[in-house]
Amino acid sequence: NAGVTQTPKFQVLKTGQSMTLQCAQDMNHEYMSWYRQDPGMGLRLIHYSVGAGITDQGEVPNGYNVSRSTTEDFPLRLLSAAPSQTSVYFCASSYFTGDGGYTFGSGTRLTVV
Amino acid sequence: GDSVTQMEGPVTLSEEACLTINCTYTATGYPSLFWYVQYPGEGLQLLLKATKADDKGSNKGFEATYRKETTSFHLEKGSVQVSDSAVYFCALTVYAGNNRKLIWGLGTSLAVNP
Repeated sequence: NAGVTQTPKFQVLKTGQSMTLQCAQDMNHEYMSWYRQDPGMGLRLIHYSVGAGITDQGEVPNGYNVSRSTTEDFPLRLLSAAPSQTSVYFCASSYFTGDGGYTFGSGTRLTVV
Repeated sequence: GDSVTQMEGPVTLSEEACLTINCTYTATGYPSLFWYVQYPGEGLQLLLKATKADDKGSNKGFEATYRKETTSFHLEKGSVQVSDSAVYFCALTVYAGNNRKLIWGLGTSLAVNP
């Protein structure tokens, strides 16, 4: 089925560990993005990309890195996990214009202890 | 700046009741407007959209009309079901040159009791 695939679904990290959250889409969408969702704070944009080789920061980029080597994949790297990064992470993609709306992955629930 | 304001939840209704979730916005230019739904434990799904003034988006019995004069995009359903229990997010897209920005409301939780 066409869509956005995120892995893993759940992850527990210790403070200071690093990890990569994977995101892949098969709809040939130019635009991909990463959000975190925290209670009472809605969705906050971490990083986004408008095409392969192009990435930019969102509103909460600190502690995260991204790259976009292909149209399909947009991994999110946590460099040194902190308890403040405990959250649910969503990857979303769309055509560049965005008027068709975004397609979201099912999310990764991350806990940093 | 650009913003979206949704009514606070949680909203609790009985099955077959009428639903309205208010959404108002401030934005420069001519935004496109969206409602997304998030069922428990899942990602967000696009529910409906409207890209210009007076457009009505509709899906699964839900409707919302783009009202430029009141800068609103209220979500309505005439008869809710237990399966409509979810969190609903209002959002808008604004453009500035080649840049696009998606602005989210904080979400409104809906619980429908049998």
